[in-house]
Amino acid sequence: GQQLNQSPQSMFIQEGEDVSMNCTSSSIFNTWLWYKQDPGEGPVLLIALYKAGELTSNGRLTAQFGITRKDSFLNISASIPSDVGIYFCAGRRVQAGTALIFGKGTTLSVSS
Amino acid sequence: ETGVTQTPRHLVMGMTNKKSLKCEQHLGHNAMYWYKQSAKKPLELMFVYSLEERVENNSVPSRFSPECPNSSHLFLHLHTLQPEDSALYLCASSQALGSRNEQFFGPGTRLTVL
Repeated sequence: GQQLNQSPQSMFIQEGEDVSMNCTSSSIFNTWLWYKQDPGEGPVLLIALYKAGELTSNGRLTAQFGITRKDSFLNISASIPSDVGIYFCAGRRVQAGTALIFGKGTTLSVSS
Repeated sequence: ETGVTQTPRHLVMGMTNKKSLKCEQHLGHNAMYWYKQSAKKPLELMFVYSLEERVENNSVPSRFSPECPNSSHLFLHLHTLQPEDSALYLCASSQALGSRNEQFFGPGTRLTVL
């Protein structure tokens, strides 16, 4: 079945560092979403993207919808300890209905 | 406060037990979803309901039986589960189906099947 390739699988960084993660697909998408999941909780939507090339920020988070429509990245600037968690990308394929496809997640650890 | 609540938060059951998971959304949404989240795997969509009608069933074994009595409540009835069914079960809701109707997740039920 369709899969999203999300990388890196995990990251260990120092507080204050910038972080970048991305998702790629072999298919064209019309929606890219980024979620964060804290331990023991469900995913929370961070950023939604709907147009190729779209660049959207949410505080220290910035995400972009790739111009090829097959990828997206999420950047976190000046990381803080509460950024710890699992970040998931998700998307909808063009002409494939409304179902979301999820990546396997990037686990972020931040040391102070 | 996500607006989507799930009970119980943790459940341990034997393979011969029957139990139910409950989800309630307080957002006035019309679509609700069940997902299975296993370690190191992407979220797997199990069931989708829109206006209380099931619109998607992704080849889920019959030992999982969903019920949507109204647009605010969603249940997942469990019977004769297997140990490999142990996972985090997430409920989500959205205003409607389709693009730009994004899903809001509950905290999940951590299920362990012994």
